[in-house]
Amino acid sequence: GQNIDQPTEMTATEGAIVQINCTYQTSGFNGLFWYQQHAGEAPTFLSYNVLDGLEEKGRFSSFLSRSKGYSYLLLKELQMKDSASYLCAVRDPPSNDYKLSFGAGTTVTVRA
Amino acid sequence: DTGVSQNPRHKITKRGQNVTFRCDPISEHNRLYWYRQTLGQGPEFLTYFQNEAQLEKSRLLSDRFSAERPKGSFSTLEIQRTEQGDSAMYLCASSKFGQATNTGELFFGEGSRLTVL
Repeated sequence: GQNIDQPTEMTATEGAIVQINCTYQTSGFNGLFWYQQHAGEAPTFLSYNVLDGLEEKGRFSSFLSRSKGYSYLLLKELQMKDSASYLCAVRDPPSNDYKLSFGAGTTVTVRA
Repeated sequence: DTGVSQNPRHKITKRGQNVTFRCDPISEHNRLYWYRQTLGQGPEFLTYFQNEAQLEKSRLLSDRFSAERPKGSFSTLEIQRTEQGDSAMYLCASSKFGQATNTGELFFGEGSRLTVL
């Protein structure tokens, strides 16, 4: 199984940067995902890391360190629409079942 | 819209009743997953299918829960003799397994919210 920890809540100002940390303890590892979930809506895919390092995609970046069991999601130039829950998820081995174990999510509130 | 579709979106039932949820995945996706999400928590895996075969069931899935995907397309999740602890959002997701360039990301539906009184 997987133990995935992330902060419960974060608040930031419009235009600022927020970094959401995620740590995991796993019996195996086959990739880490970040999803965004607005209240009452479906989780939507943001990023995927399987190798160490930074993946950048527009205003969002995700970092992975497999040796430390650590990832972060960086949200730049925050907009009001970024207020949502951000879910860190680890793919369980074996890699071919694509099953994900999720953290509890971090609720980000963007203030004007 | 060719995303994952779930219905009903909301279901209120009395304890002891049976409920059934339906999921229509993205048409070319061969994998289908059911997750359960309670308030303030991340989704928890329940079960998944590849085509019509149910490949794994979580220990969370008691014998009151049954899922089917009879023709490898849509799936149903039935909960028998519902209990108040079954109140949750039931999320369906699909993915396409087998493409070398595919990250295997899951595409989620908007969920079916169950309230057991």
